Amino acid sequence: QKEVEQDPGPLSVPEGAIVSLNCTYSNSAFQYFMWYRQYSRKGPELLMYTYSSGNKEDGRFTAQVDKSSKYISLFIRDSQPSDSATYLCAMTNAGNNRKLIWGLGTSLAVNP
Amino acid sequence: GAGVSQSPRYKVAKRGQDVALRCDPISGHVSLFWYQQALGQGPEFLTYFQNEAQLDKSGLPSDRFFAERPEGSVSTLKIQRTQQEDSAVYLCASSALTGGNTEAFFGQGTRLTVV
Repeated sequence: QKEVEQDPGPLSVPEGAIVSLNCTYSNSAFQYFMWYRQYSRKGPELLMYTYSSGNKEDGRFTAQVDKSSKYISLFIRDSQPSDSATYLCAMTNAGNNRKLIWGLGTSLAVNP
Repeated sequence: GAGVSQSPRYKVAKRGQDVALRCDPISGHVSLFWYQQALGQGPEFLTYFQNEAQLDKSGLPSDRFFAERPEGSVSTLKIQRTQQEDSAVYLCASSALTGGNTEAFFGQGTRLTVV
């Protein structure tokens, strides 16, 4: 079993929909949680970063971390065709934050 | 430079050939990371440099893989005697922070295909 599990999708939604992406993990030592967006043939781009539990909002994006359930989520409101990409979760522990552990990535298509 | 630059963007190597992949990090960035991303997978950590010091090479899959950053800026990932399973995208990231994965910027990657 991988340390970080993420459904690869693909996920297809109409423009304007609310998108919910999530990851589960097994290592209770993880404390830094990140969401990256990766367009085809590009490198990952950091979207959101959360330390420990709680919510964080940035524009149309909201990241949630539930450490008790070892579950993290990314919500995208009013989704746009330009949001079509692969979304990867990544996480690390406080003492070793040079090594990110990644999910597989979820492929998202937002249809106009 | 404006971002992390990797070269070449694409590399086709014959099995058994040696390859060298280059990463130009953002100027002044202390931390540099290499990741390997196989098709349909998330990136896998390979190695980490803080300036010229290689502090973590635990992710290098075999002794055929070697990375260096001799002057604390440009880094090279070398793969000797390439095998088909080495086919992947190799991503480089840099950060102004020490151990700073949380603020790392990625290059576009080098897509290596071993035939």
